Amino acid sequence: GEQVEQLPSILRVQEGSSASINCSYEDSASNYFPWYKQEPGENPKLIIDIRSNMERKQIQELIVLLDKKAKRFSLHITDTQPGDSAMYFCAARVKGSNNRIFFGDGTQLVVKP
Amino acid sequence: DPKIIQKPKYLVAVTGSEKILICEQYLGHNAMYWYRQSAKKPLEFMFSYSYQKLMDNQTASSRFQPQSSKKNHLDLQITALKPDDSATYFCASSQDGGYAEQFFGPGTRLTVL
Repeated sequence: GEQVEQLPSILRVQEGSSASINCSYEDSASNYFPWYKQEPGENPKLIIDIRSNMERKQIQELIVLLDKKAKRFSLHITDTQPGDSAMYFCAARVKGSNNRIFFGDGTQLVVKP
Repeated sequence: DPKIIQKPKYLVAVTGSEKILICEQYLGHNAMYWYRQSAKKPLEFMFSYSYQKLMDNQTASSRFQPQSSKKNHLDLQITALKPDDSATYFCASSQDGGYAEQFFGPGTRLTVL
């Protein structure tokens, strides 16, 4: 099946700065890349996603970039706030994979005030 | 109103016993999933179902058996429980196919003593 690598595992940034999380995948048939945010004791929640026919997508302070040639995608959070502190998971879905989403191992983002 | 219900929220079991984790979704979705989250594996896919049929099984042990009595139900039976089974179990659902977002339930935190 698909393998999704996610780095870094822990990311500490100062409030107001940017945070970047990078992911890579192996299967060129992957066509959908969601990002989930999970706060302590809560369930993962979708925050932004990108389809393979796009290279960039932005929702407020969240920017997702997709480089299909390099099989890499990334999440950038601009002007981070303490409320952005959480676990973030990238994921990829392979076309025809029976809906299965392959998750990265997560990045713990800590925003220091 | 919660759209995905998981019961119970917390569960303590003794080694060797059997438990059933309940999941019901009221989103009108036809695909449902089980994931496990522990310190060892951040978000581990277990099963996917579509229209009450098993589509993907990544759980090596037959001690884990999903049960779908209705289209919007996907329970998880775990037999011969072991301390290593201690984790939070998340149920999720989505529409079948396309770029459908997966929604996660609140989770059941299982502790096996």
